Amino acid sequence: NAGVTQTPKFQVLKTGQSMTLQCAQDMNHEYMSWYRQDPGMGLRLIHYSVGAGITDQGEVPNGYNVSRSTTEDFPLRLLSAAPSQTSVYFCASSEGAEETQYFGPGTRLLVL
Amino acid sequence: KNQVEQSPQSLIILEGKNCTLQCNYTVSPFSNLRWYKQDTGRGPVSLTIMTFSENTKSNGRYTATLDADTKQSSLHITASQLSDSASYICVVSANDYKLSFGAGTTVTVRA
Repeated sequence: NAGVTQTPKFQVLKTGQSMTLQCAQDMNHEYMSWYRQDPGMGLRLIHYSVGAGITDQGEVPNGYNVSRSTTEDFPLRLLSAAPSQTSVYFCASSEGAEETQYFGPGTRLLVL
Repeated sequence: KNQVEQSPQSLIILEGKNCTLQCNYTVSPFSNLRWYKQDTGRGPVSLTIMTFSENTKSNGRYTATLDADTKQSSLHITASQLSDSASYICVVSANDYKLSFGAGTTVTVRA
């Protein structure tokens, strides 16, 4: 099992550009989520999904979109990048909301 | 607002020594508490998960305790190794499945 994979590992964007962060898991987990991690702060939930075709907003959803067309994939889209979106982004999956989460290696994003 | 506070923010210990990390929370109603280890440049990895009825759980040299009455948890690392250098994150789950993350404690183990 590859677990949770994320691409790219690093990305530099200019303000206003759009991009998609990819996340995939091969554990057949129903629950997937996206977090951002900033220095000195805990992980903050951006969006989550409880199964294919179902998504919902987390704590900090503004500026981000998600979709869940398959169980395996959960991409995160930045619509118009802003410097405030400079962060490390983690994707996670679990069998259910109350189960252990498995995190991907993260994507480091710098918005200039 | 549900909050999770961890202390200390960072600590340095010598290899072979023990240390204890603290987590205080105000999350209510409580469902479970988790401890994660995050190596630099990596995603968090689960160490333990405890429900209301559990007051201690071990994973190798890591032992977590939970006092649901005082809303406190601790993570004890025994006989530390250089590979224990990492950030340790306390996460509390409420009954609505929302997770509250602490900012983490950075542990540095020196030879």
